[in-house]
Amino acid sequence: RKEVEQDPGPFNVPEGATVAFNCTYSNSASQSFFWYRQDCRKEPKLLMSVYSSGNEDGRFTAQLNRASQYISLLIRDSKLSDSATYLCVENLNTDKLIFGTGTRLQVFP
Amino acid sequence: DAGVTQSPTHLIKTRGQHVTLRCSPISGHKSVSWYQQVLGQGPQFIFQYYEKEERGRGNFPDRFSARQFPNYSSELNVNALLLGDSALYLCASSLEYGWRVQETQYFGPGTRLLVL
Repeated sequence: RKEVEQDPGPFNVPEGATVAFNCTYSNSASQSFFWYRQDCRKEPKLLMSVYSSGNEDGRFTAQLNRASQYISLLIRDSKLSDSATYLCVENLNTDKLIFGTGTRLQVFP
Repeated sequence: DAGVTQSPTHLIKTRGQHVTLRCSPISGHKSVSWYQQVLGQGPQFIFQYYEKEERGRGNFPDRFSARQFPNYSSELNVNALLLGDSALYLCASSLEYGWRVQETQYFGPGTRLLVL
């Protein structure tokens, strides 16, 4: 079993839609998680850190469910510019980041 | 302020050759990590260096090595290149190492390596 698993998608949604991604992790001792965004042929960029109480930043909300070992990312009012690959990331407390394969989002007009 | 910089941006090599990739972290950052990203996959951890010492190593063969210099810049070396080494090599810097569980890593633009 992979350490971090994501649905690769693609998720094709119209502008204005709400879309949610889930990600499961296998290491119950992991303390922190992140969502990174990666545009085609670019480097990953930090989108959000994921705290136990959830984290909201504008149209983006991330939540952590330790009991079920999954994290989620919710994007409201999708914009064309949200089209990208969203990488779920687990931090094993040593700054070694474990990435999922990414979920591709395509927002269409 | 400049972000993480990497050189070269693109590189073409043939099987069996050796390659050196370079990374300069964000000013003030002391930790550098290297990742390999194969097309269609997420980045895979290769090495982490902090204060010139190796602090972590991923599941990569001994053909991969790295080092960190007193100015915190870093090099990744790959010997005896294989076709499967073709990938985007990403460098990430962070302020410190491991003491704070939510230390953020910032990625450079990467070096795209093609092995023929």
